[in-house]
Amino acid sequence: KQEVTQIPAALSVPEGENLVLNCSFTDSAIYNLQWFRQDPGKGLTSLLLIQSSQREQTSGRLNASLDKSSGRSTLYIAASQPGDSATYLCAVSNQAGTALIFGKGTTLSVSS
Amino acid sequence: DAGVIQSPRHEVTEMGQEVTLRCKPISGHDYLFWYRQTMMRGLELLIYFNNNVPIDDSGMPEDRFSAKMPNASFSTLKIQPSEPRDSAVYFCASTLDSWTGSYGYTFGSGTRLTVV
Repeated sequence: KQEVTQIPAALSVPEGENLVLNCSFTDSAIYNLQWFRQDPGKGLTSLLLIQSSQREQTSGRLNASLDKSSGRSTLYIAASQPGDSATYLCAVSNQAGTALIFGKGTTLSVSS
Repeated sequence: DAGVIQSPRHEVTEMGQEVTLRCKPISGHDYLFWYRQTMMRGLELLIYFNNNVPIDDSGMPEDRFSAKMPNASFSTLKIQPSEPRDSAVYFCASTLDSWTGSYGYTFGSGTRLTVV
């Protein structure tokens, strides 16, 4: 059974820092991996999708990497801003047509 | 595209009442998922459909929960009778099957259910 773990559960940093959020999964045979952002009381916003054949994806200040063999993904946020404060969720799907399995998330707080 | 649309946004009901949550997926998407989010358990899959057919309902907590997808543009999640422990945020999501894995999931804004 696939399990997704995110470390740390919470992170506080000053504005301007570069930071890394970690995600690990127990079954390396994944179909794709998706990072989401969730603001308090809001829905999930997709940030990046990495297909199983890819190693990384980039969008603006965000970069997500995938190492299937070690069962890990990282989300790198460059030059963090207070507006980046949110919960970041990692999710994997094991094969086409199956549901996403989520980690518990990392709650990020960026202070000005 | 308006995205995945859920209604209502908030629902407060008394224990024992029937609750119906609604979802309209993105047009053309052939998969629809219902998730529940709580502080303790995070996001849990309840049930999902492919081409309107339920594929996996193993996450549905008990017989009080039921879900239907009568057509490609509408799904409901019903709780009858509701209990205080059902209080949570319920999310609907949809996606398009792709052999490359290049389509991600799009989530609705959720329905915050409070059972008192």
